[in-house]
Amino acid sequence: EIVLTQSPATLSVSPGESATLSCRASQTVGRNLAWYQQKPGQAPRLLIYGASIRATGIPDRFSGSGSETETEFTLTISSLQPEDFAVYYCQQYSYWPPITFGQGTKVDIK
Amino acid sequence: QVTLTESGPALVKPTQTLTLTCSFSGFSLNTPGVRVSWIRQPPGKALEWLALVDWADDKYFNASLKTRLSISRDTSKNQVVLRMTSMNPADTATYFCARSYSTSTSFDLWGRGTLVTVSS
Repeated sequence: EIVLTQSPATLSVSPGESATLSCRASQTVGRNLAWYQQKPGQAPRLLIYGASIRATGIPDRFSGSGSETETEFTLTISSLQPEDFAVYYCQQYSYWPPITFGQGTKVDIK
Repeated sequence: QVTLTESGPALVKPTQTLTLTCSFSGFSLNTPGVRVSWIRQPPGKALEWLALVDWADDKYFNASLKTRLSISRDTSKNQVVLRMTSMNPADTATYFCARSYSTSTSFDLWGRGTLVTVSS
């Protein structure tokens, strides 16, 4: 099973600043990594798939990237808006079953 | 309109079997590449993928729960049913169904989820 480790657990950011979230895979997953945003009481929303491809309707302040080793991935949110404060999860779909998720990073208001 | 909606009991007793139904519209599980999964989330915790059924009626399970899970589809009703046996309090969670495609098993469409509490 591929384990995804997200860091930090909580990130405190002021509105208008940028946030950088990390996701490390226990083995290479290629580009088969997605990011989701989840707000309280809601289902997750797909932000990024293929490590760097924005899903339909996702603003360009959200961007994803991956390392050459294909084990380290980053979600960057530039100029945080009030609606961006949420929990973010990464998910791999390279080697499955099982499909696995990280434990999440909470982005809260500083 | 493309939607998924979960339904099932809000409360089950320990040892009982949980049956959840995912009803969807706006797409078909007969379309090549389409997949529907069940994913759960205990209160305040992370997401856990449970099972998937695809357009060819192939089924995949999380090995950690495989002996307790079954998944089936009814393409005429546009439904996917998850059954989980031997429910216990640790299975208390919000259960989501979600769509993905064989080209990218990321979940582009989710239901709102249904909270299932396991308690006597």
